Amino acid sequence: GQQVMQIPQYQHVQEGEDFTTYCNSSTTLSNIQWYKQRPGGHPVFLIQLVKSGEVKKQKRLTFQFGEAKKNSSLHITATQTTDVGTYFCAGPVNSSASKIIFGSGTRLSIRP
Amino acid sequence: ETGVTQTPRHLVMGMTNKKSLKCEQHLGHNAMYWYKQSAKKPLELMFVYSLEERVENNSVPSRFSPECPNSSHLFLHLHTLQPEDSALYLCASSQDRQGANVLTFGAGSRLTVL
Repeated sequence: GQQVMQIPQYQHVQEGEDFTTYCNSSTTLSNIQWYKQRPGGHPVFLIQLVKSGEVKKQKRLTFQFGEAKKNSSLHITATQTTDVGTYFCAGPVNSSASKIIFGSGTRLSIRP
Repeated sequence: ETGVTQTPRHLVMGMTNKKSLKCEQHLGHNAMYWYKQSAKKPLELMFVYSLEERVENNSVPSRFSPECPNSSHLFLHLHTLQPEDSALYLCASSQDRQGANVLTFGAGSRLTVL
């Protein structure tokens, strides 16, 4: 079946360093979403990308959607302790907008 | 408060017990979801209801039984669970339409099966 894979599984960085997580789908996605889950919390929606090659920014976060609409990345510039958490990508399965599957997530921890 | 409320927040049950998890959304959404989150499989889709019809049952064992009486409420009935079913069960809702199906999650119900 369709799969969404994410790497790396864990990333431990010094505060102020950059961080990137990568997401790859086995099939083309109509859109891709990113969520953040703080430790002990629940996933919270960050952004959705729809167009091929789309790039969106939210302050220090930059999101990209690949030209083939099968991969995506999230880049955080100059990490802060508030960035700690697990970042998930997610996308709809085939043409079913209702069935949204998640990547395995990248857990970010930061050394102050 | 996210607009999606889950109860109970914590539940401990024996393998022979019957319990239910409840989810209520106040966002006017028309789709509701159950996800299971454990260390082995971070976010695993279980069930999807759209306009109160079940549109997805992701090969979930029959000891988990969902119920969606209306577009605002979703239940997960539990019976004869196994210890490996211990996990965080997350409810989510969305406005189900192509290209704009963003999930709003509840805080989750932490289930421990003894």
